[in-house]
Amino acid sequence: EPEVTQTPSHQVTQMGQEVILRCVPISNHLYFYWYRQILGQKVEFLVSFYNNEISEKSEIFDDQFSVERPDGSNFTLKIRSTKLEDSAMYFCASSGQGTGELFFGEGSRLTVL
Amino acid sequence: AQSVTQLGSHVSVSEGALVLLRCNYSSSVPPYLFWYVQYPNQGLQLLLKYTTGATLVKGINGFEAEFKKSETSFHLTKPSAHMSDAAEYFCAVGNSNSGYALNFGKGTSLLVTP
Repeated sequence: EPEVTQTPSHQVTQMGQEVILRCVPISNHLYFYWYRQILGQKVEFLVSFYNNEISEKSEIFDDQFSVERPDGSNFTLKIRSTKLEDSAMYFCASSGQGTGELFFGEGSRLTVL
Repeated sequence: AQSVTQLGSHVSVSEGALVLLRCNYSSSVPPYLFWYVQYPNQGLQLLLKYTTGATLVKGINGFEAEFKKSETSFHLTKPSAHMSDAAEYFCAVGNSNSGYALNFGKGTSLLVTP
């Protein structure tokens, strides 16, 4: 069964360092998303991506964040200068055309020290 | 704007008892509604969804939910709880105008006791 895969599963970084989280969405999907979940809190929308551009983003997704689909298969989230409060589980998701159903990866846990 | 409210951050039921997890939504356009389940240290798995059509939707693992527009609700039920149902459950709302981006509720942690 097709699935969304994310790497790394866990990353520890120092405050101020750049982090790139990688995702391989399901191959025929067209919509891509990043969500995050701070420990013990709800899942929060960060950004959606369609047709090689951001279609929607939340207030959380400020200038420190960027997304890219560099090669037609990977979908990356970059945090330029990490802060302590960026520590969270980051989920990638993808969706097919018009289905409204998101398929989530297992997440990348980011710990900022 | 769209949002969901899940009543009860923790719900405890006995094995074999009815499970009822509550979700109310707010949306300015016809909503798409979802329930996701998250087991410890895992990602989010879709239980069921409502987009259009029949308002009673059946999902995996014996769960079902009914879309009630008049009550702006999408409560999740299961007639008989199983120990393996213990997990975190998230209600989410989206629509076709938002690029299908979903807004999640805060989640309800379901505990099933023997």
